[in-house]
Amino acid sequence: QKEVEQNSGPLSVPEGAIASLNCTYSDRGSQSFFWYRQYSGKSPELIMFIYSNGDKEDGRFTAQLNKASQYVSLLIRDSQPSDSATYLCAVNYGGSQGNLIFGKGTKLSVKP
Amino acid sequence: EPEVTQTPSHQVTQMGQEVILRCVPISNHLYFYWYRQILGQKVEFLVSFYNNEISEKSEIFDDQFSVERPDGSNFTLKIRSTKLEDSAMYFCASPSSGVAGTQYFGPGTRLTVL
Repeated sequence: QKEVEQNSGPLSVPEGAIASLNCTYSDRGSQSFFWYRQYSGKSPELIMFIYSNGDKEDGRFTAQLNKASQYVSLLIRDSQPSDSATYLCAVNYGGSQGNLIFGKGTKLSVKP
Repeated sequence: EPEVTQTPSHQVTQMGQEVILRCVPISNHLYFYWYRQILGQKVEFLVSFYNNEISEKSEIFDDQFSVERPDGSNFTLKIRSTKLEDSAMYFCASPSSGVAGTQYFGPGTRLTVL
């Protein structure tokens, strides 16, 4: 059974701080990793993807991948109240067109 | 971000009725996917569809479910005899043209089974 695990939170950080979200996955055959943001009642919105070990930065977001530890993280710098949402970690096990396995998500609250 | 559209946005039905959910994925893609999310739970894969055939399906996608491509651009998810536990958000997703493996989600259809 392929699993993706996330701390459900809530994670509360003050405005301007760094939010750190973590995710672990069970299958070493995983090939690509994604972070989605989901506002209440809305659909998942893709914010980051990463395929290789190391860090990938896009604006205020940094995704980190450690395949040896089967660990993916998302850092949000200079957190804003508008970043308050549930962050979903997703893993693609089946090649470039495989389906995604999602974690339950971590709820982030950024306090002004 | 490319746009995936879904209709209706909200569907209310009686238990045992058939429902059809519709999706228009990003154009010129042969792959698309259906997922569902029961309130408060994680997003779950239902089925992937490639070139007019089911590519992969999950345990959730039983005989009550079917997918079709009735015309060149629209895809449908049909639930033949709805159950209370089918109440959920249903999302279709479409791959990105530029980046392998990425999927963009439509806005979803909220299905409520009474």
